[in-house]
Amino acid sequence: DAGITQSPRYKITETGRQVTLMCHQTWSHSYMFWYRQDLGHGLRLIYYSAAADITDKGEVSDGYVVSRSKTENFPLTLESATRSQTSVYFCASRGTVDTEAFFGQGTRLTVV
Amino acid sequence: GEDVEQSLFLSVREGDSSVINCTYTDSSSTYLYWYKQEPGAGLQLLTYIFSNMDMKQDQRLTVLLNKKDKHLSLRIADTQTGDSAIYFCAESKGNFNKFYFGSGTKLNVKP
Repeated sequence: DAGITQSPRYKITETGRQVTLMCHQTWSHSYMFWYRQDLGHGLRLIYYSAAADITDKGEVSDGYVVSRSKTENFPLTLESATRSQTSVYFCASRGTVDTEAFFGQGTRLTVV
Repeated sequence: GEDVEQSLFLSVREGDSSVINCTYTDSSSTYLYWYKQEPGAGLQLLTYIFSNMDMKQDQRLTVLLNKKDKHLSLRIADTQTGDSAIYFCAESKGNFNKFYFGSGTKLNVKP
């Protein structure tokens, strides 16, 4: 299917565990982003990537790592999950710097 | 994030106009965007405006941009219950023109 897909849609994990959220897009977009959405904070940028093997931190990157070995995939890993990382995570992609960003459906992560 | 500001809630009656306001931070932002999020869903682009425009109209939607005050507004005419959602304004700035979003305005349309 064409588009941008995230998996899983829902995840419950325990404090201290490593968790990886997957993001896959079929357009070969250069730019990809990870955001988290929390009540009262809107969407905050965690990491972004301009191309394969080019990534950089956003405003709330502590406790997260990313990789981008292939253009179409941009996984986000929580190295040691904490309760404060309970959130809804959105992945997005865009083709060029001034085009719209397309968003995945989100992953609701609960850390217990 | 990054101080794009919106009011959190707006309640209107069906058939009325809705106006959602936003202030952004960077006068050099090239494009400014409005996204809509329905419950349990991702964000979908509603409309956008290029920074050299003052106004853009698209069917029931009117976007007004005041660059001097860094103020952006979205007017929805004849608001319907299906318009109930969270509306985010966003600016695109900095390295790689990253998106920075406001906190979102939850629009509630009463029948």
